Amino acid sequence: NAGVTQTPKFQVLKTGQSMTLQCAQDMNHEYMSWYRQDPGMGLRLIHYSVGAGITDQGEVPNGYNVSRSTTEDFPLRLLSAAPSQTSVYFCASSPPGGNQPQHFGDGTRLSIL
Amino acid sequence: GENVEQHPSTLSVQEGDSAVIKCTYSDSASNYFPWYKQELGKRPQLIIDIRSNVGEKKDQRIAVTLNKTAKHFSLHITETQPEDSAVYFCAAARGTSYGKLTFGQGTILTVHP
Repeated sequence: NAGVTQTPKFQVLKTGQSMTLQCAQDMNHEYMSWYRQDPGMGLRLIHYSVGAGITDQGEVPNGYNVSRSTTEDFPLRLLSAAPSQTSVYFCASSPPGGNQPQHFGDGTRLSIL
Repeated sequence: GENVEQHPSTLSVQEGDSAVIKCTYSDSASNYFPWYKQELGKRPQLIIDIRSNVGEKKDQRIAVTLNKTAKHFSLHITETQPEDSAVYFCAAARGTSYGKLTFGQGTILTVHP
């Protein structure tokens, strides 16, 4: 049982490039979320999903796309990377039932030049 | 939307002292309040959570109190140890939000031996 797995751990991009951050969980959790963490600002919700085929926007969705074709995977896509998207990205999942503890992945540290 | 304010931003204590971190929230419908500990370069890890139907919860040296009327909750760590040094985040969520956590800005706790 690996929990929440994020890949890659580190990535450097040039402005305008696109990429996909991968997130997978093997706990059969229905709820998955993406957060970004910037210094002094805590974690902010980008997008979340309550199950396969269902996604919705969080607090800071601009510049990011998500899809949820399976229960296990919840990739985050940067369409055209900008320096303002330099951050640490965390994926999290939680079981159904409302207000259950979220389990976080190890994060992806992304730098955009 | 929800807004969570966390204070202080930094807290320095001597080993064995108590540490208290306070958070206020704006959405009266929020009813789930987790606390996360994050060590440098690591994922946030849940240390304790409380739901709005209780006023206090304890787990060994850690306790959380909730005042729904005033819309604030606090983390109390007693008999602090150097390994308690980390960044602590509070968060809040509504009953039907399923993983939509709103985080505070974080508190850097340093415990001096």
